[in-house]
Amino acid sequence: QKEVEQDPGPLSVPEGAIVSLNCTYSNSAFQYFMWYRQYSRKGPELLMYTYSSGNKEDGRFTAQVDKSSKYISLFIRDSQPSDSATYLCAMSAFSGGYNKLIFGAGTRLAVHP
Amino acid sequence: DVKVTQSSRYLVKRTGEKVFLECVQDMDHENMFWYRQDPGLGLRLIYFSYDVKMKEKGDIPEGYSVSREKKERFSLILESASTNQTSMYLCATESEGLDFGEQFFGPGTRLTVL
Repeated sequence: QKEVEQDPGPLSVPEGAIVSLNCTYSNSAFQYFMWYRQYSRKGPELLMYTYSSGNKEDGRFTAQVDKSSKYISLFIRDSQPSDSATYLCAMSAFSGGYNKLIFGAGTRLAVHP
Repeated sequence: DVKVTQSSRYLVKRTGEKVFLECVQDMDHENMFWYRQDPGLGLRLIYFSYDVKMKEKGDIPEGYSVSREKKERFSLILESASTNQTSMYLCATESEGLDFGEQFFGPGTRLTVL
């Protein structure tokens, strides 16, 4: 079993839709939970991060972490064609002297006008 | 803005060749990383370095080595390229926050081994 499982894509939604992206994990030592966005032919870039459980909002994006269920989500409101990208969840725990990141496989999102 | 550059965007090599992938960062970060990205598998850590001349194995170091002679430069070496090393290679650097260090990625090198 992988440490981090991410819903497979691709997701195709109309412009303006609410998008929900999800990951589950098995390692209870994870403390930081991140969402990276990766445009085609580019490297990933950090979108949001959350420490421990709870919600965090940044504009149209909301990240949720439920440590009791080992489940994290990213919601995108009023989705735009410019949101079309691959979204990677990532989690980290301090281990062996450094913060080790474990990534999900990524969900490809397409928002069509 | 943090800038992480990788020497090549696309590379085609033959089986058995020695391959060098170069990564340069301009933010004076201590920590640098090499990942490979494959469909369905996400990013997997190959090696990382937390200081000049220091290196640590990641999750999949077999068939790879690294070199960090200067703080800004971190090289990934495929000693004898094989077809199963065809992949997207991503270099990253990490900021040193009090609690959370953000990783900044380069644009990636898509390597094909024939």
